[in-house]
Amino acid sequence: NAGVTQTPKFQVLKTGQSMTLQCAQDMNHNSMYWYRQDPGMGLRLIYYSASEGTTDKGEVPNGYNVSRLNKREFSLRLESAAPSQTSVYFCASSDRGNTEAFFGQGTRLTVV
Amino acid sequence: QKEVEQDPGPLSVPEGAIVSLNCTYSNSAFQYFMWYRQYSRKGPELLMYTYSSGNKEDGRFTAQVDKSSKYISLFIRDSQPSDSATYLCAMRAGTYKYIFGTGTRLKVLA
Repeated sequence: NAGVTQTPKFQVLKTGQSMTLQCAQDMNHNSMYWYRQDPGMGLRLIYYSASEGTTDKGEVPNGYNVSRLNKREFSLRLESAAPSQTSVYFCASSDRGNTEAFFGQGTRLTVV
Repeated sequence: QKEVEQDPGPLSVPEGAIVSLNCTYSNSAFQYFMWYRQYSRKGPELLMYTYSSGNKEDGRFTAQVDKSSKYISLFIRDSQPSDSATYLCAMRAGTYKYIFGTGTRLKVLA
């Protein structure tokens, strides 16, 4: 009963490097989300996917791209990492946009 | 002005105390309110949700919404050390959009 699984759990990148954060859910949910959590800022939505085949920008999309690979998987890509992208990233899923969101354990990313 | 304001704490209470956690918000259109609990280095998990005004109770937890004051509260009765966590309020601002508070860190001392 895994729920939402994120990989990796920790990552250190150098400025300018790229990487992809992976997320998979096993609850057959339609909607998936990527958030970042920073001290004093709360959780902020980066991108979301209302259903398989669709993605939309959230509050802070600049510097990120996403792919909804299939119903289970939703990845977040940083093409050229910047120190401002140092954060904890959470993936979440929900049955629909107006139902309870289940969160993964988070990925702690440091960009130096 | 942030759309949702939440005191970051930390709030330290003795075991068995009644805890009151609060958020204020500025958008009177918000109708759906949630409380999430987040343990250290874990993802948030939904504790309670309420729609519009009023109270909702679940065991030791009570969520209260006062739309006239744009103020929501979470009360924890008979608090336990296991309740030590960060509590996030959240409000639905659209079908796929939620506004989260910054969280209040709670410590319940044994």
